[in-house]
Amino acid sequence: ELKVEQNPLFLSMQEGKNYTIYCNYSTTSDRLYWYRQDPGKSLESLFVLLSNGAVKQEGRLMASLDTKARLSTLHITAAVHDLSATYFCAPRHSGAGSYQLTFGKGTKLSVIP
Amino acid sequence: DAEITQSPRHKITETGRQVTLACHQTWNHNNMFWYRQDLGHGLRLIHYSYGVQDTNKGEVSDGYSVSRSNTEDLPLTLESAASSQTSVYFCASSEGVPYNEQFFGPGTRLTVL
Repeated sequence: ELKVEQNPLFLSMQEGKNYTIYCNYSTTSDRLYWYRQDPGKSLESLFVLLSNGAVKQEGRLMASLDTKARLSTLHITAAVHDLSATYFCAPRHSGAGSYQLTFGKGTKLSVIP
Repeated sequence: DAEITQSPRHKITETGRQVTLACHQTWNHNNMFWYRQDLGHGLRLIHYSYGVQDTNKGEVSDGYSVSRSNTEDLPLTLESAASSQTSVYFCASSEGVPYNEQFFGPGTRLTVL
C-alpha cells in the first residue's frame, strides 16, 4: 500500500523568505504530481515529475523528484502572498497500467506580509 | 475548450436517501476518478474507471457505487446516504499516457443530515 507523508502540514512564512515542503512516500513510484488548492476551490496541477532526478520550475516554485529516496520537494523562493494555498503531492501507484495517485494530506501555506 | 464539470455543486440530503453526483468530461479521457476530501485526510480515492464498462474500488468505496456507460460520464451513487458521507467530492480525469496528469472538476459539497 502506497502511503504518502507531507511535512510540514502547516507553514506560516514571511514574504521574501525561502522554504521547502517535503513529500515522502512508502513504496516504489516512478512519477509524482504536485497540485495547488485555493480555499473553496478545486485542485490545479502544478508540476508533473516523470522520472528520477526530474526538476521543474515555475516562477517562485521548484519541484524535484528522487525516486530512490522516495522523496519529492517543493521549494519556495522569496515567497509572496499569492502563493498562500494548500499544496498536495501525489505519487503514482506502480505497476503496468496503473493510473491511480495517492495524495498526501496537504501543506497549508500562509504567506504573511 | 475541454473541461470537466460536476453537478450539483451543493446538495443537502437526508440520511438513508439515495444520491447521485454527476461528473462529465469533454477531454475524451479514458480514466476517471472520484475522490472525497475531508479535513485532516486530504483526498481519498472512492472509485475509478479506466474505460467504458470498467469500474474499480478505491480506498474508501463502502457505501458508494459507479457505472461507466460512455467515455464522458462517471456518476457516483450513494446507495443510502449516511452522515459520515458529508464531504466535498471531486471528480477527475486523465489521459493515461504519456503524462497521466489528472484534471479536476469544481467539486460537489454534500451535506447529509
